[in-house]
Amino acid sequence: GAVVSQHPSWVICKSGTSVKIECRSLDFQATTMFWYRQFPKQSLMLMATSNEGSKATYEQGVEKDKFLINHASLTLSTLTVTSAHPEDSSFYICSARWGAVNTEAFFGQGTRLTVV
Amino acid sequence: GIQVEQSPPDLILQEGANSTLRCNFSDSVNNLQWFHQNPWGQLINLFYIPSGTKQNGRLSATTVATERYSLLYISSSQTTDSGVYFCAVGKGAQKLVFGQGTRLTINP
Repeated sequence: GAVVSQHPSWVICKSGTSVKIECRSLDFQATTMFWYRQFPKQSLMLMATSNEGSKATYEQGVEKDKFLINHASLTLSTLTVTSAHPEDSSFYICSARWGAVNTEAFFGQGTRLTVV
Repeated sequence: GIQVEQSPPDLILQEGANSTLRCNFSDSVNNLQWFHQNPWGQLINLFYIPSGTKQNGRLSATTVATERYSLLYISSSQTTDSGVYFCAVGKGAQKLVFGQGTRLTINP
């Protein structure tokens, strides 16, 4: 299957600082990338969808100014958590797929963010 | 939006047993995937199966799109099969919607 690489795997940051998470599709061109958030023992909740070269579409209730998403190329999307607070601590997972419909999505290994 | 229900929420089995996990969805879909989330959080793609039947080793899956459900079968369970199994569905170019998952525990 296709490979999606997410970096870093874990990060600890101080409250008030910003953290950037990278998501790369290593062996295919990702026309669409997704960012999810997962709390302990819960399912994945979609935060936003990004298409290469255009602005991300955020799900209802997700603050676009807090969670900045950039999809500047067909192989790279970034999620920046700005002015992080302890309640932003969570597991963040990216996903990528090629094409618009009927294509399989592949996931990165996730990033565990802890804000202290 | 599409609703996805997975059952059972928890399943505890002895090594060697067989299991069936179910995924019901509320609308027609053209994308359905099964995943296994390992203890480190990585989502492993098991099947891309919007319809029909597929098999991969001890795992197989069947989706009956007209009746809006999918089944994941695990035969001869091993302790390494433990983890959470997610079903996710999508329609058209829309996002994947995840079910709440089935937490499978295989005891030696």
